[in-house]
Amino acid sequence: AQSVTQLGSHVSVSEGALVLLRCNYSSSVPPYLFWYVQYPNQGLQLLLKYTTGATLVKGINGFEAEFKKSETSFHLTKPSAHMSDAAEYFCAVSEKGGSYIPTFGRGTSLIVHP
Amino acid sequence: DAMVIQNPRYQVTQFGKPVTLSCSQTLNHNVMYWYQQKSSQAPKLLFHYYDKDFNNEADTPDNFQSRRPNTSFCFLDIRSPGLGDAAMYLCATSMPSGPSTDTQYFGPGTRLTVL
Repeated sequence: AQSVTQLGSHVSVSEGALVLLRCNYSSSVPPYLFWYVQYPNQGLQLLLKYTTGATLVKGINGFEAEFKKSETSFHLTKPSAHMSDAAEYFCAVSEKGGSYIPTFGRGTSLIVHP
Repeated sequence: DAMVIQNPRYQVTQFGKPVTLSCSQTLNHNVMYWYQQKSSQAPKLLFHYYDKDFNNEADTPDNFQSRRPNTSFCFLDIRSPGLGDAAMYLCATSMPSGPSTDTQYFGPGTRLTVL
């Protein structure tokens, strides 16, 4: 069975500040890990994913995430927030060789202040 | 560009009046999903098709049905919409056996209002 916990339903940062969105997962087998972003009244868009290999994954719009097996974490970061980053962010996990259907976290709303 | 298309983007219906939402894809993915998303919540999987095989989630109400006449199209039918069915409905696709593994590709969604 797989599960995802996103700490903090809302994260508020100032423009130019570091963005850190937390995601912890549970999986009985090696995981695939995803971050999706959702802008208002839009579908979800893939930001980045980890499947295998390098544990530091770079995505679109300057975001990156690091897979830490020992901590069962896949936190999303961006060095400098832009106003346009304000959106809902979802972490998801699926299992290699297992169910192909990802389990989503509850989402974190990123608020960016001028 | 290859993509997932949903029509209409906004749908208004009356309480109890059947409504159909449509989804099409040009990715040639073999899995298509329907999700319901309410405000400030994660998407909730209603059902999915793996090729022609229909897979219903255990807690999806009977009021929701789906059809997939071919690889490219999938429909969500709500037989008797209630006020609680007002939500964003998201269609997604994936190709589990392909290089993109379990990555899901989402359409822009249809926002359903029930009057």
